[in-house]
Amino acid sequence: DADVTQTPRNRITKTGKRIMLECSQTKGHDRMYWYRQDPGLGLQLIYYSFDVKDINKGEISDGYSVSRQAQAKFSLSLESAIPNQTALYFCATSSGADYGYTFGSGTRLTVV
Amino acid sequence: AQSVTQPDIHITVSEGASLELRCNYSYGATPYLFWYVQSPGQGLQLLLKYFSGDTLVQGIKGFEAEFKRSQSSFNLRKPSVHWSDAAEYFCAVGAFTGTASKLTFGTGTRLQVTL
Repeated sequence: DADVTQTPRNRITKTGKRIMLECSQTKGHDRMYWYRQDPGLGLQLIYYSFDVKDINKGEISDGYSVSRQAQAKFSLSLESAIPNQTALYFCATSSGADYGYTFGSGTRLTVV
Repeated sequence: AQSVTQPDIHITVSEGASLELRCNYSYGATPYLFWYVQSPGQGLQLLLKYFSGDTLVQGIKGFEAEFKRSQSSFNLRKPSVHWSDAAEYFCAVGAFTGTASKLTFGTGTRLQVTL
């Protein structure tokens, strides 16, 4: 099994729908992140969390919310999806000792 | 705030040729620097990282990078490129001060390898 698992891998949804992207990890890391990747823009940080009770906004948090249900689970929600949220979404984890991230395989989201 | 610039959007090299991918960063303190590789349809994989010490760091898959403080650069190199190195490469700078611990990524350089 992968260290960081994202579900679903692909999703097409309609404008205005609520959608949740899920991330779970077996690394035992305390820090988890959600990034969005758009062509030519690299990765932009949406939200990050250092433990279950700690949630922080990133650069582009508007239109998104997150939930850290457990140390191993970090979900990203789009309350009312819009077409410009079409992108590739990545979850990542890290520990305090080793700052290199471990990434999931990504969720490709299309909002029509 | 930290930032990363990767000036080359797309680079093409012949298999067996040497490679250098450029990365310039902006950060007020000593940076933590990273290179990641993304193969098509995959997540990002860590190639190497620099925290302190020797400014030439070795990574996986035969890659190395050199930290040059005077030039605010952290360029990635490989002496001989293989066709399997075709991918997108991201440079990142980390701020690890209290709650500001997160990575900022560059926009990426796509590497094409011709046979």
